[in-house]
Amino acid sequence: GAGVSQSPRYKVAKRGQDVALRCDPISGHVSLFWYQQALGQGPEFLTYFQNEAQLDKSGLPSDRFFAERPEGSVSTLKIQRTQQEDSAVYLCASSLSRKGYLDQPAFFGQGTRLTVV
Amino acid sequence: QQQVKQSPQSLIVQKGGISIINCAYENTAFDYFPWYQQFPGKGPALLIAIRPDVSEKKEGRFTISFNKSAKQFSLHIMDSQPGDSATYFCAAAFGNEKLTFGTGTRLTIIP
Repeated sequence: GAGVSQSPRYKVAKRGQDVALRCDPISGHVSLFWYQQALGQGPEFLTYFQNEAQLDKSGLPSDRFFAERPEGSVSTLKIQRTQQEDSAVYLCASSLSRKGYLDQPAFFGQGTRLTVV
Repeated sequence: QQQVKQSPQSLIVQKGGISIINCAYENTAFDYFPWYQQFPGKGPALLIAIRPDVSEKKEGRFTISFNKSAKQFSLHIMDSQPGDSATYFCAAAFGNEKLTFGTGTRLTIIP
């Protein structure tokens, strides 16, 4: 596709429900990132993949959050037993290679807005 | 620990004026400093970026000024237009690792 695609665009979950958010990166992009953006705030890093390897998951706020990228392309962010504080926009970004951003910048998807009620 | 501090939180500029947004960082290992523009309901879009061995970079109406010794960088938008009204985020990164974002500046351009 032309850009990073995320689905669903909007998700309303009841507290305690499990959710799965999908990211389709730009074709051929090696690096994939997940960020969480609370209302009125800047994006905050959650986790990073290089191909199928999860190289950094230091930003995941709790063990309820889990991400995978089994074939090195599509990624899924799963949140178990959702809480109200999980309400945010979840952004996915991808970049072409392992080189620095100046050579291969990161491109963001439109995000999934999660509302936990 | 907030490693990138951004100001102001909001900014109103008259059409045709210059918009200036400032950021300061703490981690001297950062080697990539981008500015992103975000419209409501959209993801951040890269505007312009600079590396620390360059003091200024200009692309059209957008200029980044970088002061390595002060650990500060700024975005200047010349001849600001209503279509520039958006939220702007500075960020920093080391290599190709995670981006650390500022808290954002909501820019409004008035006629």
